Amino acid sequence: DGGITQSPKYLFRKEGQNVTLSCEQNLNHDAMYWYRQDPGQGLRLIYYSQIVNDFQKGDIAEGYSVSREKKESFPLTVTSAQKNPTAFYLCASSIDLASGGAGEQFFGPGTRLTVL
Amino acid sequence: GENVEQHPSTLSVQEGDSAVIKCTYSDSASNYFPWYKQELGKGPQLIIDIRSNVGEKKDQRIAVTLNKTAKHFSLHITETQPEDSAVYFCAASNNAGNMLTFGGGTRLMVKP
Repeated sequence: DGGITQSPKYLFRKEGQNVTLSCEQNLNHDAMYWYRQDPGQGLRLIYYSQIVNDFQKGDIAEGYSVSREKKESFPLTVTSAQKNPTAFYLCASSIDLASGGAGEQFFGPGTRLTVL
Repeated sequence: GENVEQHPSTLSVQEGDSAVIKCTYSDSASNYFPWYKQELGKGPQLIIDIRSNVGEKKDQRIAVTLNKTAKHFSLHITETQPEDSAVYFCAASNNAGNMLTFGGGTRLMVKP
């Protein structure tokens, strides 16, 4: 899992509550990403950030919010507006292409969120 | 935008046999194609990647081939072992902001 940590590993919340998932990296990577994975499915992009204090919506941003106040941290909040939040959430990071990166994304171990 | 199709969705092989997973992509501007292995309950790990300036790349028992004309690329695993059992994902990127589009995944089962 080298350098990217996600916490907690398992998270249970009641319906209607907001919940924040943590993602930290010590790889000095510029870009960070959040993906959602449903059982038997591929990875879908929620949000990404290429630089501190800037982030962009991915394919399924509705019901989610993010912040990027520090290079090392990219927390994801799952809000009550997300209709079906139970899923496996993956954070990734990469060196920005402009900084000499080659495009490789490295993933954290994931957080499994279950909404009861 | 980019669309990546991956086949088969499940693959069962006998230990020692070869396994092949195929992906097609739609955006002719895509030039970077990584493959990830995901074990149960863990995050995906990059196992091999290829760029559009080469047609094939090998790393021990794993190889990836790319056909730019046909817009498809494949993962080849030789001499499969039980520890190769996992879900494998292909992805494609045109390096625009480091964005990856993933295929739907292939569950590989290697029977001892």
